Parts: sequence; C-alpha cells; structure tokens
Amino acid sequence: EVQLLESGGGLVQPGGSLRLSCAASGFTFNNYAMSWVRQAPGKGLEWVSAISGSGAFTYYADSVKGRFIISRDESSNTLFLQMNSLGAEDTAIYYCAKSWAGAKSWFDFWGRGTLVTVSS
Amino acid sequence: EIVLTQSPGTLSLSPGERATLSCRASQSVSNNYLAWYQQKPGQAPRLLIYVASRRATGIPDRFSGSGSGTDFTLTISRLEPEDFVVYYCQQSGSSPLTFGGGTKVEIK
Repeated sequence: EVQLLESGGGLVQPGGSLRLSCAASGFTFNNYAMSWVRQAPGKGLEWVSAISGSGAFTYYADSVKGRFIISRDESSNTLFLQMNSLGAEDTAIYYCAKSWAGAKSWFDFWGRGTLVTVSS
Repeated sequence: EIVLTQSPGTLSLSPGERATLSCRASQSVSNNYLAWYQQKPGQAPRLLIYVASRRATGIPDRFSGSGSGTDFTLTISRLEPEDFVVYYCQQSGSSPLTFGGGTKVEIK
C-alpha cells in the first residue's frame, strides 16, 4: 500500500525558513518523480515543485523559484522541500504527491498534507 | 502557461441526477494529459481520471472523462451522496503543471 506522510509544517515568521519532509513507502521510491502541491486556505490547488526519480532534474513554479529547493533521499525514501524567504502568500497546506511516471505527469497518490502558516 | 478554466463554479443537483463538469484549456493539452481529481473536505485530492478518459484504479464506473485538445468533460452518471464535493482538472502536457479553479457539486 502506497503511503506518503508529510511533516515539518508549522508557524513561521515572514522572511523565515522551513523544511518539509515526506516519508514514502509501499513503492519503489527512486522509480517515480515526486511533487509538492499546495492549497491556500479555502482555495484551489497549486503545483509547487517536482523532482525526477533519479533526483537529477528539478522543476519549480515561478512563484517559488529561487526561494524553494526540492530534494530527495533514496536511502530513507524521503522527499524534502526547503522553503526560504517565506511570505504570507506561502501559507497553505502542502501535499506530497507521487507522479504516475515522469515529472510532467498526473498524481496517483497524495499524502494528507502539512499546514504551513506564515505570520508574525 | 496553460490556464484551465472550470465551469460552472458550483453545480446544484439532486442525488441520482447526471453531473457534467467542464474544463477548458487556454491552449491545446499535449497528448491529452488531462486529469481529474475529487477532493472531500479535509482530505487530499484523489485521482479519478487520467489522459482525459482513463479511469484510475478503484474508481466507480459512474465517473467518466471525455474530450481532447482544449475541451474536456467529467461526467458523473448518477450522483451518489458522497459525490457532492469539489472536483479539479489538471494538465501535465506542458510546464508548468496547472490546475483548474475547481467545481463544487452541491445538493440542490
């Protein structure tokens, strides 16, 4: 059974940093691209970032480019999102999602999400 | 960037009725890489349909997808009580990946 478990969310001040983690199990982690998708309170879904199965290729939405860094650790089957220079517009539930195949793909499994709140 | 416009924003129907949800793309979606998701309150999205018309594993056959190019449709043939939630379309034919704004199906 595929499981994705996010952690690391919380309250952070504007300009601060946070690192999210997503522990994956139930599938061969390095065979699949992974993404982060966020959802601001009461709003729709926004793709944030993706990483290829090998970790060699990364992709970012313009809204986070230069501030967020996606990475993965095959030894622990964990996906990460390092978020820097956070602003109020980054407040959202952040979901970890498994891609069907490559990084340009749809998402067949999602985690439950972790809430990030940026506020002073 | 491909902009996906979902309509209507809210669809008011009764259980047992047929629901037709639209997703229109600002430009053609390559390979018809258009997916549909269902999101219940407080839960993560769930994949329903991919490549415009392929049903994901475990999805009831009352859900069907159709369309190509720029116009796509999700049809729920007979609404069950648990179907009255929010639906999103998503394209992965080109970067960046984008989602539609969602359609809420509510009980009339």
